[in-house]
Amino acid sequence: DTGVSQDPRHKITKRGQNVTFRCDPISEHNRLYWYRQTLGQGPEFLTYFQNEAQLEKSRLLSDRFSAERPKGSFSTLEIQRTEQGDSAMYLCASSSKSYAGSSYNEQFFGPGTRLTVL
Amino acid sequence: RKEVEQDPGPFNVPEGATVAFNCTYSNSASQSFFWYRQDCRKEPKLLMSVYSSGNEDGRFTAQLNRASQYISLLIRDSKLSDSATYLCVVNGDSGYSTLTFGKGTMLLVSP
Repeated sequence: DTGVSQDPRHKITKRGQNVTFRCDPISEHNRLYWYRQTLGQGPEFLTYFQNEAQLEKSRLLSDRFSAERPKGSFSTLEIQRTEQGDSAMYLCASSSKSYAGSSYNEQFFGPGTRLTVL
Repeated sequence: RKEVEQDPGPFNVPEGATVAFNCTYSNSASQSFFWYRQDCRKEPKLLMSVYSSGNEDGRFTAQLNRASQYISLLIRDSKLSDSATYLCVVNGDSGYSTLTFGKGTMLLVSP
């Protein structure tokens, strides 16, 4: 399977704990995006990387959130001191403009990590 | 005004029906438009891009009206497998590299 993968698929944690999620994009894709989705809402943009550079962050990304993509391949999203309001599906997507006719905006999503904060 | 607005539905239709979804967006500078499909508890998947001239892919037709900032999706001859949430997506206010999703419109196709 050469799609976007995310780990873990589910995470249950207690309020105040730190959690870290991993995303492995499609191998030839140089852009990687993180989104958050809550019930009844569409995905909301959090941040994105082009290779290892973090180019944009949403105002939704509070100081408790940090994302890295150290070697321009996989990425991690860490949430410190989790709150109940952090409970959501965290989606990773990747894209590339490596072939004629493609668009960076055609993003391919992973299965997501569902976070529950008790 | 929300950036991307959709009727949440659900739209309940019988198999074989034609159904249309509409979407409006607030950022007149948006350049790219898409419809994504999301099955229950699954990730969103690109259904089709939307071009100014309108485009068709089998039973699906997408239209864009830039003047009215309005996007539509028409599904003909609905199948049970079309049951899903359809997300209207535009490139976002925060930059042309990011996408802004609507809340989605739920479609339920019944036998």
